[in-house]
Amino acid sequence: GQQVMQIPQYQHVQEGEDFTTYCNSSTTLSNIQWYKQRPGGHPVFLIQLVKSGEVKKQKRLTFQFGEAKKNSSLHITATQTTDVGTYFCAGSGNTPLVFGKGTRLSVIA
Amino acid sequence: DTEVTQTPKHLVMGMTNKKSLKCEQHMGHRAMYWYKQKAKKPPELMFVYSLEERVENNSVPSRFSPECPNSSHLFLHLHTLQPEDSALYLCASSQTGVSYQPQHFGDGTRLSIL
Repeated sequence: GQQVMQIPQYQHVQEGEDFTTYCNSSTTLSNIQWYKQRPGGHPVFLIQLVKSGEVKKQKRLTFQFGEAKKNSSLHITATQTTDVGTYFCAGSGNTPLVFGKGTRLSVIA
Repeated sequence: DTEVTQTPKHLVMGMTNKKSLKCEQHMGHRAMYWYKQKAKKPPELMFVYSLEERVENNSVPSRFSPECPNSSHLFLHLHTLQPEDSALYLCASSQTGVSYQPQHFGDGTRLSIL
């Protein structure tokens, strides 16, 4: 079945450093979504990418969808302590949404 | 605050008990989902209901029984659960059941099986 791989599993950064998480699918995706889950919280939808090569920005967050629609990335510029949490990518092709394993981000003040 | 409401927030039950988890949304969404999430793992899809009809059942054991009486409410009936069923159970909704619709999650029910 469809698989979505995500790396790294963990990332520890100093406040102010940049952070990137990568997502890769075994099959072509119709879209990819990104979610953030704070410790003790629930996943919260951040953004959806649909078009090949699409790039979207939300303040310090930049999301990219690969040309082949098989990979995606989330980049955070100048991390803050409020960025702490687990970031999940989730993709769908012909199946319901499949979540990657997530990247747990820790930010050291 | 979330627009998908789940009750109870915490549940402790024995293996022989029967209990139900409840989820409701009033955003006019037509699809609702149950996910299971173990610690430090991603959410795993259990069931999908679209227009009150179950469209997905990911090989979930029969001790979990979903019910969707209308597009605003979703239940997960539990009976004779196992200790490995302890997890966070998340309900989500989306505008339609089409897979590319963003999903809105509730706070979840944290379930512990004794």
